[in-house]
Amino acid sequence: AQKVTQAQTEISVVEKEDVTLDCVYETRDTTYYLFWYKQPPSGELVFLIRRNSFDEQNEISGRYSWNFQKSTSSFNFTITASQVVDSAVYFCALSNAGNMLTFGGGTRLMVKP
Amino acid sequence: DARVTQTPRHKVTEMGQEVTMRCQPILGHNTVFWYRQTMMQGLELLAYFRNRAPLDDSGMPKDRFSAEMPDATLATLKIQPSEPRDSAVYFCASGLAGRRGQETQYFGPGTRLLVL
Repeated sequence: AQKVTQAQTEISVVEKEDVTLDCVYETRDTTYYLFWYKQPPSGELVFLIRRNSFDEQNEISGRYSWNFQKSTSSFNFTITASQVVDSAVYFCALSNAGNMLTFGGGTRLMVKP
Repeated sequence: DARVTQTPRHKVTEMGQEVTMRCQPILGHNTVFWYRQTMMQGLELLAYFRNRAPLDDSGMPKDRFSAEMPDATLATLKIQPSEPRDSAVYFCASGLAGRRGQETQYFGPGTRLLVL
């Protein structure tokens, strides 16, 4: 069975602060994929990133960065210099090769001006 | 800019009525997923199709829910009869499955269903 845990249900920061959203996963598969999705107040689910289990390179995209550590089964997401527009619920998700996503419970991020 | 589309975006109905939700996957994608999002359960998979064939519908209440793909450009999720506990946001997602397994799933805007 697969499981994704996002221990932080809600985080509140002030604009320009850095914030890290934690994600811990469990799977018995050797090949799997990890994802982050953003759900802004409008409700849609926006794809942010996909990582393969065999690629542990960290990734940076603008103010976003992701830290994948197989040794601790974690795939954390950091937003640098947060902005009000980053306020949303962020979901970490896991899939094995070929199948559906298992989502974490989500972390609600509130960025205050 | 290819997107998954879903109709209707909002639906209010009375208990016992039939509800049909429609999804148009991204052109060229061969896998379609239906998810439901509620406050209590979060995001959960209801069913998915690959190349229009149903692969897994174990997350779906069989007695009242049905999912079909009449053609490659249309997926439907039907609830009959609807109940208040079906109130949720229903998301459709599509992706491309190939030799490397399932690629990224892209989500539609969702159908917000309220059953009174």
